[in-house]
Amino acid sequence: KQEVTQIPAALSVPEGENLVLNCSFTDSAIYNLQWFRQDPGKGLTSLLLIQSSQREQTSGRLNASLDKSSGRSTLYIAASQPGDSATYLCAVTGGGNKLTFGTGTQLKVEL
Amino acid sequence: DTGVSQDPRHKITKRGQNVTFRCDPISEHNRLYWYRQTLGQGPEFLTYFQNEAQLEKSRLLSDRFSAERPKGSFSTLEIQRTEQGDSAMYLCAGEWGSGNTIYFGEGSWLTVV
Repeated sequence: KQEVTQIPAALSVPEGENLVLNCSFTDSAIYNLQWFRQDPGKGLTSLLLIQSSQREQTSGRLNASLDKSSGRSTLYIAASQPGDSATYLCAVTGGGNKLTFGTGTQLKVEL
Repeated sequence: DTGVSQDPRHKITKRGQNVTFRCDPISEHNRLYWYRQTLGQGPEFLTYFQNEAQLEKSRLLSDRFSAERPKGSFSTLEIQRTEQGDSAMYLCAGEWGSGNTIYFGEGSWLTVV
């Protein structure tokens, strides 16, 4: 059974700092990995999708990497802003087309 | 705006009552998913449809839960004889094709009192 772990569970940083969120998964037989953002009480917004054959994806200040063989992914956020405050969720797609999520990293960017 | 809408956004119901949630994906979403999320946890898979066919159901989906997607468009998730443990946010998501970006709706909050 696939298990996804995210570290740290919570993170507080000053504005402008670069930061890294970590995600690990136990079964490397995945089709892709997605990073989502969730604001309190809201649905999920897809940030980046990395196919299993890819090593990284970039969108603006966000960069996600994937090391499938070691079961790890990182989300790098450059020059963090207060508007980046949210919960970030990592999810992998394996057999059966369903997403398996981690429990998320709650990020707070302070002025 | 992901184009996936859910209704109602919030529902408070008494234990034992039935509730139904509706999801409207965009027309290009041939795949439709239902997930459940409780506080402090990531979403958990419930079921998914390819067009109108329900292809997979989680063991979380007890016999009190039923989902439909008539004509491969909107979908409904019904919970019969609700229990307090059903309190959660129910998320719907759409996808075009397979292995692509998945677009979530804003979710439907259920509180069973």
